[in-house]
Amino acid sequence: QVQLQESGPGLVKPSETLSLTCTVSGGSISSSYWTWVRQPAGKGLEWIGRIYTSGSTNYNPSLKSRVTMSVDTSKNQFSLKLSSVTAADTAVYYCARARDITSDAFDIWGQGTMVTVSS
Amino acid sequence: DIQMTQSPSSLSASVGDRVTITCQASQDISNYLNWYQQKPGKAPKLLIYHASNLETGVPSRFSGSGSGTDFTFTISSLQPEDIATYYCQQYDNLPLTFGGGTKVEIK
Repeated sequence: QVQLQESGPGLVKPSETLSLTCTVSGGSISSSYWTWVRQPAGKGLEWIGRIYTSGSTNYNPSLKSRVTMSVDTSKNQFSLKLSSVTAADTAVYYCARARDITSDAFDIWGQGTMVTVSS
Repeated sequence: DIQMTQSPSSLSASVGDRVTITCQASQDISNYLNWYQQKPGKAPKLLIYHASNLETGVPSRFSGSGSGTDFTFTISSLQPEDIATYYCQQYDNLPLTFGGGTKVEIK
């Protein structure tokens, strides 16, 4: 079955760029579209954006100026870059799959990776 | 952005109790609503999609209903393994937004 695994640095300095990759295993990345969600400690879920395997993206306007998502179908991976990070970007970052192209329901999630922004 | 307001923010119930959580959207979202369960330290798990459709493999004690602005999530008979935080999520408009969560505990 399809599994997702986030990877990337757990510590990022303020003003630098957070970079995460999500690797899709057990299935094709072309089967759906993919999203990033984050969750600060003890708080709720925030949608960051989504990417289709065509490369088309939609970002949360609250982060749009700092977010870039990309996809590498040859590696079955998609990525997130968040620039000019501050302590407010400290969170667990999840990648997830939409269950089908007609619903933004996320049926498969990575385990999440904790990213701390600190000098 | 569409605001999703969940209530209550937390609840305590006994095993076997019927538990109801509500989610109100700041505008009409038709039935474009999903429900997730999140256990501590774990990723969210999809339970209900399109307001009332049970995800494959999810126990039938979970259900969802509603349309427009008012939605309900129900656990018909609370089990110990249902201890978690539950979130609603709308997908009528971008950005996708989640409710603030409802933490369910055992009394």
